[in-house]
Amino acid sequence: AQSVTQLDSQVPVFEEAPVELRCNYSSSVSVYLFWYVQYPNQGLQLLLKYLSGSTLVKGINGFEAEFNKSQTSFHLRKPSVHISDTAEYFCAVSEYNNDMRFGAGTRLTVKP
Amino acid sequence: DAGVTQSPTHLIKTRGQQVTLRCSPKSGHDTVSWYQQALGQGPQFIFQYYEEEERQRGNFPDRFSGHQFPNYSSELNVNALLLGDSALYLCASSLGGGLQETQYFGPGTRLLVL
Repeated sequence: AQSVTQLDSQVPVFEEAPVELRCNYSSSVSVYLFWYVQYPNQGLQLLLKYLSGSTLVKGINGFEAEFNKSQTSFHLRKPSVHISDTAEYFCAVSEYNNDMRFGAGTRLTVKP
Repeated sequence: DAGVTQSPTHLIKTRGQQVTLRCSPKSGHDTVSWYQQALGQGPQFIFQYYEEEERQRGNFPDRFSGHQFPNYSSELNVNALLLGDSALYLCASSLGGGLQETQYFGPGTRLLVL
């Protein structure tokens, strides 16, 4: 069965700096990959997803992620963060469209 | 256009009791998925309903059951509550079944089991 590891539980960064949130997964078969954001006291919102095709995926709010099959990674990046990007970010994987596994989350804190 | 709504927002139960949580999907959506999110952890997939049938299921015991109505709304039932069932329960809706479709999440129901 698939599993997801988010390598950093907390990432502090200054406003307008670049950020990378790391995600690795384990699976021996084809997977769908997702990044979600959860703002305080709100539900999750999809940032982007990889189903097939181009390995560079662009999402909302200026985020992008790159699927690396050989390294089984799906890291999330943004070239310049804003205070409003402060939130919890979750990586998720679905194997064969059955089940959906989420990582434990990365708390991104953007400081002025 | 209403998004995904869940009721109640908060709930307190005691061990051994049963609970029913409700979800109304986003307008136009026909698929509902349920997740359990323990404090400080990522969501865990419980199951997905499409066309009034359970289509996919995560690693949850049979105490967790659900239902989807003809209007696509859904209920999550948990029997014989345990302390460990305390969590935020999230409902997500999508269109067309499957987990690859974009899911829209509700704000959740926070369940506390004493």
